[in-house]
Amino acid sequence: EIVLTQSPGTLSLSPGERATLSCRASQSVSSSYLAWYQQKPGQAPRLLIYGASSRATGIPDRFSGSGSGTDFTLTISRPEPEDSAVYYCQQYGSSPVTFGGGTKVEIK
Amino acid sequence: EVQLVQSGAEVKKPGESLRISCKGSGYTFTNNWISWVRQMPGKGLEWMGRIDPSDSNTDYSPSFQGHVSISADKSISTAYLQWGSLKASDTALYYCARGHGWTDPWGQGTLVTVSS
Repeated sequence: EIVLTQSPGTLSLSPGERATLSCRASQSVSSSYLAWYQQKPGQAPRLLIYGASSRATGIPDRFSGSGSGTDFTLTISRPEPEDSAVYYCQQYGSSPVTFGGGTKVEIK
Repeated sequence: EVQLVQSGAEVKKPGESLRISCKGSGYTFTNNWISWVRQMPGKGLEWMGRIDPSDSNTDYSPSFQGHVSISADKSISTAYLQWGSLKASDTALYYCARGHGWTDPWGQGTLVTVSS
């Protein structure tokens, strides 16, 4: 099973201050089968990024994903207060699918 | 609009059985797998397993294999998550989501509370 470790655990930023979230895998994620999700309190998760760098439909271009192998990054280029949420990475290159523990982002 | 609508909240006692549902609409139900994800109170996301509604082929996480069962009825575009004997530790929010790997969209979640 591939273990995903996300860092930092919490990120506190001001609006417009670039956010960089890390997701490290215990072994290589095949074909960059890595996704990112956003979850706001009381809501279901929402897909942001799939295939490590492809934005899902309707996702603003301030969200971008990069990386390959074992190291992946989600960047929020100009965060807005509405981007406050928990962000999860997920690998789906091998079974079982696994999620990281999440990074809580606070935009104040 | 592609949508997954889940059944309502449940309160059960330890040892009871339960089946919750997830109904797809706005797309061809048999074209996409359905995945199930658990979120325990205040915790992160845990992948439980998935099903191909076209042939009911399933794939489970070892962490959940043997404790839950995933099924589907393609005639009514509905997937199910079932327990034969609930434990208090099954108290959680359960999500279904469309997709074999990355998943989109997600259902609204079903809260299952198991308490004596």
